[in-house]
Amino acid sequence: AQSVTQPDIHITVSEGASLELRCNYSYGATPYLFWYVQSPGQGLQLLLKYFSGDTLVQGIKGFEAEFKRSQSSFNLRKPSVHWSDAAEYFCAVGVAGGYQKVTFGIGTKLQVIP
Amino acid sequence: EAGVAQSPRYKIIEKRQSVAFWCNPISGHATLYWYQQILGQGPKLLIQFQNNGVVDDSQLPKDRFSAERLKGVDSTLKIQPAKLEDSAVYLCASETSGTNEQFFGPGTRLTVL
Repeated sequence: AQSVTQPDIHITVSEGASLELRCNYSYGATPYLFWYVQSPGQGLQLLLKYFSGDTLVQGIKGFEAEFKRSQSSFNLRKPSVHWSDAAEYFCAVGVAGGYQKVTFGIGTKLQVIP
Repeated sequence: EAGVAQSPRYKIIEKRQSVAFWCNPISGHATLYWYQQILGQGPKLLIQFQNNGVVDDSQLPKDRFSAERLKGVDSTLKIQPAKLEDSAVYLCASETSGTNEQFFGPGTRLTVL
């Protein structure tokens, strides 16, 4: 079965600073990978996804993520963080073939300080 | 385009009581998911429907949880009887088959006292 590890439960960055959120996955074949964002009291919103092809994926709100097969990683990055980016971020892995089954990590809570 | 709708947004019940949650997916989305999100954890899949058929309910505690999706549109998730450990946010998501992009509703926060 697939699994996802988000090693950082809580991260604090200054507004305007760069951001990298870590995600490691475990799956025997090429996975489908996702990053979602959840603002307080809201559902999850898809930031970006990787299925195949270019390993650098661009998403919404200025986010990008890079798939590194050798490291089993799919880290999320943003060059300059805005106060509105404060939220919880979830990495998820899906299984190719058949119906999608997605496993979520425990999330990383991002705090942005002025 | 209207998003995924869920109701109620909040529910407080006592243990051993029953509760039901409703979800209306995005129009035309054949796939519907129910997730349980316990505080401090990521969402855990409870059940997945394709139209009105169940695709995966392997993590649904079937002794107390049930779900249905009549006519392949709206869905209801029920807990009977509730336990303290059922306190969580219940998220509904829908997807156009084959896109692998799930759209989530705002969730229902359940507190069991």
